[in-house]
Amino acid sequence: KQEVTQIPAALSVPEGENLVLNCSFTDSAIYNLQWFRQDPGKGLTSLLLIQSSQREQTSGRLNASLDKSSGRSTLYIAASQPGDSATYLCAATTSGTYKYIFGTGTRLKVLA
Amino acid sequence: EPEVTQTPSHQVTQMGQEVILRCVPISNHLYFYWYRQILGQKVEFLVSFYNNEISEKSEIFDDQFSVERPDGSNFTLKIRSTKLEDSAMYFCASTTRPSPHYGYTFGSGTRLTVV
Repeated sequence: KQEVTQIPAALSVPEGENLVLNCSFTDSAIYNLQWFRQDPGKGLTSLLLIQSSQREQTSGRLNASLDKSSGRSTLYIAASQPGDSATYLCAATTSGTYKYIFGTGTRLKVLA
Repeated sequence: EPEVTQTPSHQVTQMGQEVILRCVPISNHLYFYWYRQILGQKVEFLVSFYNNEISEKSEIFDDQFSVERPDGSNFTLKIRSTKLEDSAMYFCASTTRPSPHYGYTFGSGTRLTVV
């Protein structure tokens, strides 16, 4: 049974810092892994999708990596801005089942 | 960019009442999902739906819940007799097909408050 955890649970950084959010999963037979952003009381905005055959994906200041052998994905945010403040969720789907299992999220606050 | 649309954005209902949450998935998507997020907790899978039938459901999705695709565009979640613990944000999602190449697109959610 796939389980997904995220650390840290919360993070507060000054503007301009580069930061890394971590996501761990227990079943390496993942189909893909998706990173989402959630603003308070709002929906889930897809940031990056990493397919099981890929090692990383990039979009602007965001870079996500995937290491199936260690059961880890990281989301790297370069030159953080106050507008990046939100909760970041990772979700993994496993071969044979098509549902996403979500982590508990990392609540990020970027201070101006 | 195509969107998944959910209505209403917020619904307040009395305990024991029936509610229907509505979703319009992206037009060429074939797989549809409902998730929920109780305040402060994880996003949890409820049900997946393909070809007019449920393909997978969680233990949360008991007899009080049902899903339907009444026409070619809408996808609904019905809660037959709401309980206080059904209060949550409910998200609809859709995808072209389950594949490593395709992620999900989520709607903006319906906040359900049961009083």
